[in-house]
Amino acid sequence: DQQVKQNSPSLSVQEGRISILNCDYTNSMFDYFLWYKKYPAEGPTFLISISSIKDKNEDGRFTVFLNKSAKHLSLHIVPSQPGDSAVYFCAASSGYNFNKFYFGSGTKLNVKP
Amino acid sequence: GAVVSQHPSWVICKSGTSVKIECRSLDFQATTMFWYRQFPKQSLMLMATSNEGSKATYEQGVEKDKFLINHASLTLSTLTVTSAHPEDSSFYICSAYRTLRNTEAFFGQGTRLTVV
Repeated sequence: DQQVKQNSPSLSVQEGRISILNCDYTNSMFDYFLWYKKYPAEGPTFLISISSIKDKNEDGRFTVFLNKSAKHLSLHIVPSQPGDSAVYFCAASSGYNFNKFYFGSGTKLNVKP
Repeated sequence: GAVVSQHPSWVICKSGTSVKIECRSLDFQATTMFWYRQFPKQSLMLMATSNEGSKATYEQGVEKDKFLINHASLTLSTLTVTSAHPEDSSFYICSAYRTLRNTEAFFGQGTRLTVV
């Protein structure tokens, strides 16, 4: 049973526009969430995180929103750039075992020039 | 540069043989490392938690006799796929934490295993 889900396997966006990647989770014990970015033939790299005590965290062009009641988080990239083209994974963990993450299946973002 | 190195990056082996994958933390000590597996178009699935100096903790459904994990030092964890079968063909990736903070997680580049 997958506890973290990314229902969109791919997303295509024009350069300069906003990219919105979505993630849903089922485990109400999750209280820490991460987004990772992965290029082909490389391991995932950390992008941005959010704790359940917040509903928004911003870092430059990247903003993550958390809706705890809906068990939903999203990653906004504004403005999107061709170099953002990659696979994005969301991951979640609970305070009980905070280093143990559960990943979504990933969304492949393609930013067109 | 990479702080977690995984070797090999790809391997092809015959059915019935064993394959060892190494995960090294390059400039920090990691008492805990994690091993993941990813099938095509699916999520990274946590297989096991590797603890330095003690037995690994396996996730439900993961055969501990099939996937042997050894965390013999603070910088090295190994995953051995024993008696490999074609269905073991997958992408295996490890992660380690520089500190106890969640944001300090680093991943290896992954190992593509193909069993023929």
